[in-house]
Amino acid sequence: GESVGLHLPTLSVQEGDNSIINCAYSNSASDYFIWYKQESGKGPQFIIDIRSNMDKRQGQRVTVLLNKTVKHLSLQIAATQPGDSAVYFCAENPYLGSGNTGKLIFGQGTTLQVKP
Amino acid sequence: GAGVSQSPSNKVTEKGKDVELRCDPISGHTALYWYRQSLGQGLEFLIYFQGNSAPDKSGLPSDRFSAERTGGSVSTLTIQRTQQEDSAVYLCASSLKVTGGEQYFGPGTRLTVT
Repeated sequence: GESVGLHLPTLSVQEGDNSIINCAYSNSASDYFIWYKQESGKGPQFIIDIRSNMDKRQGQRVTVLLNKTVKHLSLQIAATQPGDSAVYFCAENPYLGSGNTGKLIFGQGTTLQVKP
Repeated sequence: GAGVSQSPSNKVTEKGKDVELRCDPISGHTALYWYRQSLGQGLEFLIYFQGNSAPDKSGLPSDRFSAERTGGSVSTLTIQRTQQEDSAVYLCASSLKVTGGEQYFGPGTRLTVT
């Protein structure tokens, strides 16, 4: 079935280093992808999104890369800060077009730990 | 502005009881979603509402689960005859666009079935 998976359950980085969180998706028809950040006890918070007609999109300190050939998505965080410590989820919207309800399929999440 | 709100924030109930969870979406958002998040897991889609269209109920795990959205705004998720496996955080999200649009999440309701 459809699934979105993350390569590592936990990523530990030093404050100031760059972080890369990876995600593999299985549905080649997916046309829209989102990265969410979830802090303990809170709902997911939008970080950045990308559509399949792009392979790279940049935000503030974050970059999302999309490789449709291998169905791989990554989130890069520059100069990681302690406040970046959270669980990061990738999500895909697999059914763009007629009848698409916009529901998201989420991966299991990667815990990012930032060491001071 | 106000985000998505959910109530209660926590709910403890006995096995077999019915529970109702409430979601107030962002004003003007046409689409509303319910997801479930078990401990240490990703989010699992439950149900989707958009305007007067028939809801997408494809993610509801059993017929004990139902949801409604009154007046295109507030939504209620009802779980009848709760079971221990229903224990999870139930998250509501709303979006301005139906497809390919950012979904804004509420803080969730933590449901514990004893």
